[in-house]
Amino acid sequence: GENVEQHPSTLSVQEGDSAVIKCTYSDSASNYFPWYKQELGKGPQLIIDIRSNVGEKKDQRIAVTLNKTAKHFSLHITETQPEDSAVYFCAASRGSTLGRLYFGRGTQLTVWP
Amino acid sequence: DTEVTQTPKHLVMGMTNKKSLKCEQHMGHRAMYWYKQKAKKPPELMFVYSYEKLSINESVPSRFSPECPNSSLLNLHLHALQPEDSALYLCASSQEGPRINYGYTFGSGTRLTVV
Repeated sequence: GENVEQHPSTLSVQEGDSAVIKCTYSDSASNYFPWYKQELGKGPQLIIDIRSNVGEKKDQRIAVTLNKTAKHFSLHITETQPEDSAVYFCAASRGSTLGRLYFGRGTQLTVWP
Repeated sequence: DTEVTQTPKHLVMGMTNKKSLKCEQHMGHRAMYWYKQKAKKPPELMFVYSYEKLSINESVPSRFSPECPNSSLLNLHLHALQPEDSALYLCASSQEGPRINYGYTFGSGTRLTVV
């Protein structure tokens, strides 16, 4: 099956700086890559996703890039704010594997004011 | 409505109790899921329902029994649980068909404690 590696496991940045979280995947048939933000005591919240026919997608301060050749995708958060502090999970899936999201192990992001 | 609603938010139950977790979505999604999440770990898939039929059971112990009464509702019946079953139980839903997995949305979860 698919194997998703996520780095780093923890990330501390100063408010206003940028944060980058990287994931690699093993299954070249994976075609959908969502990112989730999970705050303490809450469920994962979908913050951005990208499909394999797109190389980059941006939504305000958040962007995701995908390199299909290298099988890696990254989350970029610019102008970080303390409320960005949370655990971020990347995931990968392919349409033929019904309902199965393969998650990375998560990144604890802390933004210091 | 772009939400998945789970009840209750917190549940404490004894090992001999029977309880149920409930999940509801009104996004027209035809795939619904139960996940279990331990602290500082990613969610682990338990069950997948597609068009109200169970399509994936990830070798989950029979003390967990899922049910999908209709396309908007998903239940998880709990019986004779163990303390190690204490976790955050998450429900999720997604679109079906060619865009499977798109819009994969999680609820806020039920924090279950087994005593």
